[in-house]
Amino acid sequence: SQTIHQWPATLVQPVGSPLSLECTVEGTSNPNLYWYRQAAGRGLQLLFYSVGIGQISSEVPQNLSASRPQDRQFILSSKKLLLSDSGFYLCAWSVTGRAYEQYFGPGTRLTVT
Amino acid sequence: QKEVEQDPGPLSVPEGAIVSLNCTYSNSAFQYFMWYRQYSRKGPELLMYTYSSGNKEDGRFTAQVDKSSKYISLFIRDSQPSDSATYLCAMSATRGYGQNFVFGPGTRLSVLP
Repeated sequence: SQTIHQWPATLVQPVGSPLSLECTVEGTSNPNLYWYRQAAGRGLQLLFYSVGIGQISSEVPQNLSASRPQDRQFILSSKKLLLSDSGFYLCAWSVTGRAYEQYFGPGTRLTVT
Repeated sequence: QKEVEQDPGPLSVPEGAIVSLNCTYSNSAFQYFMWYRQYSRKGPELLMYTYSSGNKEDGRFTAQVDKSSKYISLFIRDSQPSDSATYLCAMSATRGYGQNFVFGPGTRLSVLP
């Protein structure tokens, strides 16, 4: 069966510090991968999605970047965090061509102070 | 007008009640309709998805799509305290990920014992 991992689970970082969040998927090959952000009491905002190694599409201009160095690894980064980057970050995967069937990881709660 | 709207709740019902959760949308191109359940501080969990109009049943859950009215519903029969969560609808115009993929803001449900 497929499993998706995210770490760390919780992170508190000062403004201006760098960020690296990692997501890995087990039990499937060539998944589509997604990074979302969820602000408190709000819906999901798609940040990036990837259909393959090195292929990243950005949905909104922002202070963040994403990379996919391996087939089942997706990394979200920032060089300098802003207060507005606080939120709940979720990674998800789907089979290619089945974006309507996404499976989410446990999330990382980021607080920028 | 937002592309997808949900009553934010919170919606409180007694245990055993039938719950109706609803989303309205404005984009007639949507063809795939999804419902996710999200427990507090966890990632969303896919409950079910439907294609085009009609009903789909899975245990105590029934999803209903009325494309003519641009209205979708999730019914929960014999609701349990364990159903207390935020329910997110999502919609897509295509099988694969594209620009027309949107999550609703979610409805918070509390089932009281």
